[in-house]
Amino acid sequence: QKEVEQNSGPLSVPEGAIASLNCTYSDRGSQSFFWYRQYSGKSPELIMSIYSNGDKEDGRFTAQLNKASQYVSLLIRDSQPSDSATYLCAVPRGSARQLTFGSGTQLTVLP
Amino acid sequence: DGGITQSPKYLFRKEGQNVTLSCEQNLNHDAMYWYRQDPGQGLRLIYYSQIVNDFQKGDIAEGYSVSREKKESFPLTVTSAQKNPTAFYLCASSMSSGTETQYFGPGTRLLVL
Repeated sequence: QKEVEQNSGPLSVPEGAIASLNCTYSDRGSQSFFWYRQYSGKSPELIMSIYSNGDKEDGRFTAQLNKASQYVSLLIRDSQPSDSATYLCAVPRGSARQLTFGSGTQLTVLP
Repeated sequence: DGGITQSPKYLFRKEGQNVTLSCEQNLNHDAMYWYRQDPGQGLRLIYYSQIVNDFQKGDIAEGYSVSREKKESFPLTVTSAQKNPTAFYLCASSMSSGTETQYFGPGTRLLVL
């Protein structure tokens, strides 16, 4: 089992819809989780972090964490074409907290 | 402006050549990281450094080398031993060892001639 797995996509949603991106992880001891957005040809930018079970909301973005199920998701409400990007889930590991990334889910929001 | 800079944006390597990718940060961050990204894939860790004059191998260190002589600089050398170097190389930093939020530079795309 990979350490961090994401639904491979690509995922297409119409403008204004909710986009749901999922990530599972193998290390039950993981305590923190990050979502990065990466536009084509660009570097990743951090959009959300979550540490506790439940939901964390930031504008149109909601991160959901379920440690018992080893599952973290990102919901994007009122999706816009500018949200079209690859979304990467990342989990820290080791003493230097180096990140392990999933392979990413490519999201396309259709106007 | 505080941030991470990487240069060059594009780099071409000939067979048997070593090339060096630059990464500089003015965020006063202690920890720095190098990742490699292949098309359609996530990022894989090459090397990381938690403090000046110290660095550790990541998951795919073979064919690469680094140095950390200054806090703000963490250059990556892709040696001739790296047989498949074509990729997008990303440098990141975090405030301190154990601090998990990492910020990325703009990346260097390496191509083989």
